[in-house]
Formats: sequence, structure tokens, C-alpha cells
Amino acid sequence: GAVVSQHPSWVICKSGTSVKIECRSLDFQATTMFWYRQFPKQSLMLMATSNEGSKATYEQGVEKDKFLINHASLTLSTLTVTSAHPEDSSFYICSARTREGGSTEAFFGQGTRLTVV
Amino acid sequence: QKEVEQDPGPLSVPEGAIVSLNCTYSNSAFQYFMWYRQYSRKGPELLMYTYSSGNKEDGRFTAQVDKSSKYISLFIRDSQPSDSATYLCAMRAGNMLTFGGGTRLMVKP
Repeated sequence: GAVVSQHPSWVICKSGTSVKIECRSLDFQATTMFWYRQFPKQSLMLMATSNEGSKATYEQGVEKDKFLINHASLTLSTLTVTSAHPEDSSFYICSARTREGGSTEAFFGQGTRLTVV
Repeated sequence: QKEVEQDPGPLSVPEGAIVSLNCTYSNSAFQYFMWYRQYSRKGPELLMYTYSSGNKEDGRFTAQVDKSSKYISLFIRDSQPSDSATYLCAMRAGNMLTFGGGTRLMVKP
């Protein structure tokens, strides 16, 4: 299957600082990338959808100014958590969509565990 | 009511058992149905992908879709301890992917 690389896999930062998470599709061009947040023992919650060269579409309740998404190319999207606070500590996962047989599948990155202290 | 319902488990079975995981949904617009496996602290891994009603088999895994009943299943034959993970069903309508809550599976040696 297609490979999506997410970096870093874990990060610890101080409250008030910003953290950038990268999501790369390694062997395909991703028309759309998605960012999710997952709390322990819960399912994935979609935060935003981004298309290359366009502004991201955020889900209701997700602060645009806090979670900055940049989809600069067909293989790279970044999520920046600005002025992080302890309540932002979570598991963040990206996914990228490829096309197969006219339909689309989404492949996920390995996830990034963010801990804000 | 959630669009996609999935029993959270945990589901505990002995090694070698047949496992049945299920999801129900309410949105008739869902056209694509997927099962993901997620190990602890890892991203989800796509296991099965189906479009139409019926069965699709891949090794020890069989995905079943019944659109008339809005019900999908994942069967795992000859379950192994390495199958212990959380299994997430997911469904797509247009550009939107909706996940079930996930079922935690434990396969005991």
C-alpha cells in the first residue's frame, strides 16, 4: 500500500510554544490530506481537510488560528499547534488520499504524540 | 445517534478463534466501507476496502457489507495474538470519512 510518513512520532513541548508536525506521502501524490486528533481509547476526530494549494477546511469547534495547516505541495502537509497548552496534549494523525480504480482510499501516518508540559 | 455505531469491546478470544467485528450505520449516502487496524500509539492501517454489498476476502480477513441492512462486518479466521489491536470501521460519502468508535480485540495465546 501507499506510504504516509508523519514526523515527529512524539514531541514534548513547553506550554506556550508552537509545534509543527509534518505529513508526507512518499510514493504518491495526495490530492487531499486530513488531520485527526485521537484521545485515549477514543476514535479519530477529524480536525481539518486540506487540498494542495487551498486553504484548509476546519471542522466545527476546531480553532483555525490555533491549528495552522499548510498544504504546500501534493506530497506535504503540515500542522502547527500554536501556543500549545496541556489540553492540546493528544495523538495527532494525518492521512492522505490516493486514487485506485477510480475510487479513493486514505492511508494514515504513524501518528504524533504531543505532550505539552 | 451517531452515524456509525461500533461496539467498543473489549472482545477477548482464544487463539485460533473466528472473530466477528461489526458496525452499523444510518447514512444511506455511504458508498465506500473500510476496516482499519490500529495498534497502540500507532496510526490506523488499512485492512480491507469494499464498495458493493457482498463479501471480500483477503487472507484470513473477510469483509462483508449489507447495504440493505446498513451493516458491515469483518471476520478474522484463525486469530493470532498479533491480531490484538483496535479495529475501526470507516465509511465514506463524498469527501467525508466517518469512523466508528473502534473495537478493542484481545487474542489470548
